[in-house]
Amino acid sequence: NAGVTQTPKFQVLKTGQSMTLQCAQDMNHEYMSWYRQDPGMGLRLIHYSVGAGITDQGEVPNGYNVSRSTTEDFPLRLLSAAPSQTSVYFCASSYSGRGKNIQYFGAGTRLSVL
Amino acid sequence: TQLLEQSPQFLSIQEGENLTVYCNSSSVFSSLQWYRQEPGEGPVLLVTVVTGGEVKKLKRLTFQFGDARKDSSLHITAAQPGDTGLYLCAGAHSGGSNYKLTFGKGTLLTVNP
Repeated sequence: NAGVTQTPKFQVLKTGQSMTLQCAQDMNHEYMSWYRQDPGMGLRLIHYSVGAGITDQGEVPNGYNVSRSTTEDFPLRLLSAAPSQTSVYFCASSYSGRGKNIQYFGAGTRLSVL
Repeated sequence: TQLLEQSPQFLSIQEGENLTVYCNSSSVFSSLQWYRQEPGEGPVLLVTVVTGGEVKKLKRLTFQFGDARKDSSLHITAAQPGDTGLYLCAGAHSGGSNYKLTFGKGTLLTVNP
């Protein structure tokens, strides 16, 4: 059982380039989320999805697009990378039950934008 | 935006000491979670507390949810170097939609041998 798999682990981009961060989960979880983690800022929610075909914005959505065509996959797209998007990106999947939300995180993608 | 304030931001202690990390908010959460994150890894869930006043123990770690479900604490007894890491609290929105979490900024704990 792989859990949440993120690829790539590391990426360096030049300003203006585009790329897609991949996220896949094999736990049949309904909910998936993307966070970015910056020093001193904790984890901030970028976009989230409550099921295939349904996405919504989080706290810091500008500059990012998402789609959810399947339950398993939730890619994050940077259309025109900016240095401010240098960060560590985490994907998480979760189920919800009995008032709890248990999030399982991937190992992260470390992105540098030059 | 529902904010979670964690304190202290940094904590460096000697092996064997006790410590407490706090997570406070002005908002009510339906549940609150504590995660630990090690360098180069994603956060890993330690515990979820749901009921106001709830206390949960995980070996040397004790977690408490405030009576009003606005705050929580993590107490570690006799800290060990293996406890070193970033501790994050996260609250689930109160009001039904509990799939969105708000994270605190974290407490970076270093336990020196």
